[in-house]
Amino acid sequence: AQSVTQLGSHVSVSEGALVLLRCNYSSSVPPYLFWYVQYPNQGLQLLLKYTSAATLVKGINGFEAEFKKSETSFHLTKPSAHMSDAAEYFCAVSDRGAQKLVFGQGTRLTINP
Amino acid sequence: EAGVTQSPTHLIKTRGQQATLRCSPISGHTSVYWYQQALGLGLQFLLWYDEGEERNRGNFPPRFSGRQFPNYSSELNVNALELEDSALYLCASNRATGNEKLFFGSGTQLSVL
Repeated sequence: AQSVTQLGSHVSVSEGALVLLRCNYSSSVPPYLFWYVQYPNQGLQLLLKYTSAATLVKGINGFEAEFKKSETSFHLTKPSAHMSDAAEYFCAVSDRGAQKLVFGQGTRLTINP
Repeated sequence: EAGVTQSPTHLIKTRGQQATLRCSPISGHTSVYWYQQALGLGLQFLLWYDEGEERNRGNFPPRFSGRQFPNYSSELNVNALELEDSALYLCASNRATGNEKLFFGSGTQLSVL
């Protein structure tokens, strides 16, 4: 069975600082990996996805993530945090496209001015 | 293009009652997914419908059920409501052609008193 672990339910960074949100996955088959963002009172939006092409995936809003098979990780980064990045971020794994998405518990990102 | 729409936005019920939640997918999308987002539990996959058929089901009791109509809209029914059913219920849609990303609605907040 697939699973996702997001390390840290809350992460706080200063505006302009590096954002690093950690995600480790477990999958018996080559996975598809996703990062979604949820702003307050809204549904989830796809930030980026990995589907076995380039291991460094660039997404929207300046975010990127690197697939590391040896570490079973798919950490999300952004070089310089902006106040508008404050939201909850979910890592998800699937073995067959989006039909069986398994989400992590989420990480709430707070940006300090 | 209209996004995924869900109704109602908020729903308040008492224990033992039934709740019906509705979802309209993006035009052209044939697959609808339901997720439960309960406090502290992250997003849990509930149901997947495609072309009017239930294709997959998460680890939820049978009192969680639903259907998909010929126009691809969907209903989620929760019978014999329990307090722990209080959660944000998110609907998502896609074209179900492989690793298509999910488009999420803003959700229905169900409160069971």
